[in-house]
Amino acid sequence: QKEVEQDPGPLSVPEGAIVSLNCTYSNSAFQYFMWYRQYSRKGPELLMYTYSSGNKEDGRFTAQVDKSSKYISLFIRDSQPSDSATYLCAMSKNYKLTFGKGTLLTVNP
Amino acid sequence: EADIYQTPRYLVIGTGKKITLECSQTMGHDKMYWYQQDPGMELHLIHYSYGVNSTEKGDLSSESTVSRIRTEHFPLTLESARPSHTSQYLCASSDSGARGQPQHFGDGTRLSIL
Repeated sequence: QKEVEQDPGPLSVPEGAIVSLNCTYSNSAFQYFMWYRQYSRKGPELLMYTYSSGNKEDGRFTAQVDKSSKYISLFIRDSQPSDSATYLCAMSKNYKLTFGKGTLLTVNP
Repeated sequence: EADIYQTPRYLVIGTGKKITLECSQTMGHDKMYWYQQDPGMELHLIHYSYGVNSTEKGDLSSESTVSRIRTEHFPLTLESARPSHTSQYLCASSDSGARGQPQHFGDGTRLSIL
């Protein structure tokens, strides 16, 4: 069983939709939880990171962590075509990251 | 804004050649990393460094080598390239003084070995 599982999609939504991206994990030793956005032919860009259970909001993005269920989510409100990218979850243990495979999101105008 | 630069961005080269992929960061981060990324697959850590003259192998075995002579520079070398080395190589850095030490990535080098 992989330590981090992420549905690769692809996920296609209309502009303005609320997007929910999710990852599950098996290792309770993970300390920090991150979401990266990766555009085609670019490197991953850090979107959000958190260390505690609960919600963290930044503009249209909300990161949610549920340590009891070993489940993290990223919500995108009012999605835009510019949000079209691959979204990677990553989890940190002793400052080493373990990544999910990424979910390819397309937001259609 | 992360300032981490990788060169070249794309490289197509024949088997047996020696290759060096460059990575530089201007943020003064002490930790640097190399990852390998294949289509539809997770990023895998192949090398990391916690500071000058410190290098360690990552979780994914790699025939490449790295060096860290200066804080800002972390090149990766393949002595004799093979088609199996074809992949995207991503460099990252982090500040050990930052909570959670989030990693910041360059745009990668897409390597194709013929």
